[in-house]
Amino acid sequence: AQTVTQSQPEMSVQEAETVTLSCTYDTSESDYYLFWYKQPPSRQMILVIRQEAYKQQNATENRFSVNFQKAAKSFSLKISDSQLGDAAMYFCAYRRYSGAGSYQLTFGKGTKLSVIP
Amino acid sequence: GAVVSQHPSRVICKSGTSVKIECRSLDFQATTMFWYRQFPKKSLMLMATSNEGSKATYEQGVEKDKFLINHASLTLSTLTVTSAHPEDSSFYICSVSSGDTEAFFGQGTRLTVV
Repeated sequence: AQTVTQSQPEMSVQEAETVTLSCTYDTSESDYYLFWYKQPPSRQMILVIRQEAYKQQNATENRFSVNFQKAAKSFSLKISDSQLGDAAMYFCAYRRYSGAGSYQLTFGKGTKLSVIP
Repeated sequence: GAVVSQHPSRVICKSGTSVKIECRSLDFQATTMFWYRQFPKKSLMLMATSNEGSKATYEQGVEKDKFLINHASLTLSTLTVTSAHPEDSSFYICSVSSGDTEAFFGQGTRLTVV
């Protein structure tokens, strides 16, 4: 079974600074997707960034980037120039094929990010 | 991305009654819908996966007779919590996808059983 581990329950960062959230996962598959989701106080899940395992290049979306280390099964999220609106719970997720044409997400326990003005 | 509307956003029901939560995909044909449960300050736990026109597949430990899932069309899935008890109080979230598209999430439903 796939597991996703986020070892940092809480993190804080000064506004405009950079923070890195950690995520490791366990899988025996070679082709899969990894995601970072943001859940603000509204509880709406928002996709931040995705990474395809067969791509060596790290994904980047504006201020958000990942450090994907496939051999180490590590998938960290870096947030640059942190903004107050970045404060939220961040979930790392692994996607696997679950049959019948559908794919399932397995989530880590989450990291609560606080941004200090 | 797709717009997913979940209704109601909040519901309070009496113990022993049933409550239905709707998940609508407004602009996306969702062949697969997922239902999650999230406890306070915890992660999302997958309850069940449903494919349009088929019976839902429940995760281990989830009572299928208590949490009835219907996925009658490509745009609507419902979760009915039958004979609700206080321990069923939680935040329920649906998500939709089609094939290998990304998952799109509803805004969630906070259920309180009194």
